[in-house]
Amino acid sequence: GENVEQHPSTLSVQEGDSAVIKCTYSDSASNYFPWYKQELGKGPQLIIDIRSNVGEKKDQRIAVTLNKTAKHFSLHITETQPEDSAVYFCAATAGGGADGLTFGKGTHLIIQP
Amino acid sequence: DSGVTQTPKHLITATGQRVTLRCSPRSGDLSVYWYQQSLDQGLQFLIQYYNGEERAKGNILERFSAQQFPDLHSELNLSSLELGDSALYFCASSVGGVDTQYFGPGTRLTVL
Repeated sequence: GENVEQHPSTLSVQEGDSAVIKCTYSDSASNYFPWYKQELGKGPQLIIDIRSNVGEKKDQRIAVTLNKTAKHFSLHITETQPEDSAVYFCAATAGGGADGLTFGKGTHLIIQP
Repeated sequence: DSGVTQTPKHLITATGQRVTLRCSPRSGDLSVYWYQQSLDQGLQFLIQYYNGEERAKGNILERFSAQQFPDLHSELNLSSLELGDSALYFCASSVGGVDTQYFGPGTRLTVL
């Protein structure tokens, strides 16, 4: 089955700086890669996603890049703000009837004021 | 607010007991997914239902079962509970296949 590795496990950046979180996946059939943000006591919230026919997608301060050849994808957050502090999860799915997401272990992003 | 509702919010029970967790998907969504989140295992996919039928199974134990009813709400049944079953259980819903999954607020299960 699919295996998703996520790095780093903890990331501390100064407010206003950029943050980058990286993930690799194992199943070349995977074609959907969402990123979720989870705040304490809440369920995961989708922040951006990308499909395998696209190499990059941007939404305001958040961008995701996908390299299908290398089987890795990354989340980029620019101009970080205190409210960006949370745990971020990458995920992957191959679809085709097995549509459950395989998640990375998460990155605890800390924005230092 | 994702539009996915889960009840109860918290559940405390004893080993060997059986509990039922309930999920109502977003209006219009036909797929319901169940996930377990624990410190050691992370977020794990358990099972998916689509329009009342089981569609995919993940790392679901034989002691666990689920169903989706005609009104599309779903229930996750956990039996013969063990201490290690203590976790957050999330329900997510989507329109159909490989679509955006929206997560509910979760049910925190504590097994004593």
